[in-house]
Amino acid sequence: QVQLKESGPGLVQPSRTLSLTCTVSGFSLTSYGVNWVRQPPGKGLEWIAAIWSGGSTDYNSALKSRLSISRDTSKSQVLLKMNSLQTEDTAMYFCARSPLTGDYFDYWGQGVMVTVSS
Amino acid sequence: DIQMTQSPASLSASLGETVTIECRASEDIYNGLAWYQQKPGKSPQLLIYNANSLHTGVPSRFSGSGSGTQYSLKINSLQSEDVASYFCQQYYDYWTFGGGTKLELK
Repeated sequence: QVQLKESGPGLVQPSRTLSLTCTVSGFSLTSYGVNWVRQPPGKGLEWIAAIWSGGSTDYNSALKSRLSISRDTSKSQVLLKMNSLQTEDTAMYFCARSPLTGDYFDYWGQGVMVTVSS
Repeated sequence: DIQMTQSPASLSASLGETVTIECRASEDIYNGLAWYQQKPGKSPQLLIYNANSLHTGVPSRFSGSGSGTQYSLKINSLQSEDVASYFCQQYYDYWTFGGGTKLELK
């Protein structure tokens, strides 16, 4: 069955770089797109970035200068890097799949909590 | 960027009641609209896509409607398991979410 699982450091110091991994199973990264979405505690959802089946990428314009998304198809992993972290980047980070039929998100991972603090 | 305005921000309803949540886009999104349900401590789950298509496995008491800039999610015969937050999302031009609606039991 389709599964996505996020992993990451949990705690990151301000100004440092965050590296997150989304490991997928039950589908191929060469056939489906994968997105990153974040949610600060008690707040709403914000789309961050996407990588598509052909390898092309899209970024949230407000965060673009700080982001890099890539993938390792041999490991079924999507990687997100965000630099210059600030306390306002504290959030739950989710990865989510886009289906073949549209750009919505049909399956989500459980999320990984990232706290930015010294 | 397309802005999504969702209302109400919170809602209290009784079991068996019909509930409606609204979402307004800042410009026409041509039915590129999805609805998600998020229970506390869990990830969002897709309910509706393309404004009115029910995702696999979602109970038929959930329905979506609308066009242009105005969309709504309706829950018929509210059940206890429907207590959650609900978010709309436009995917016509990149991706933005509404602010969410927290649904509680009265």
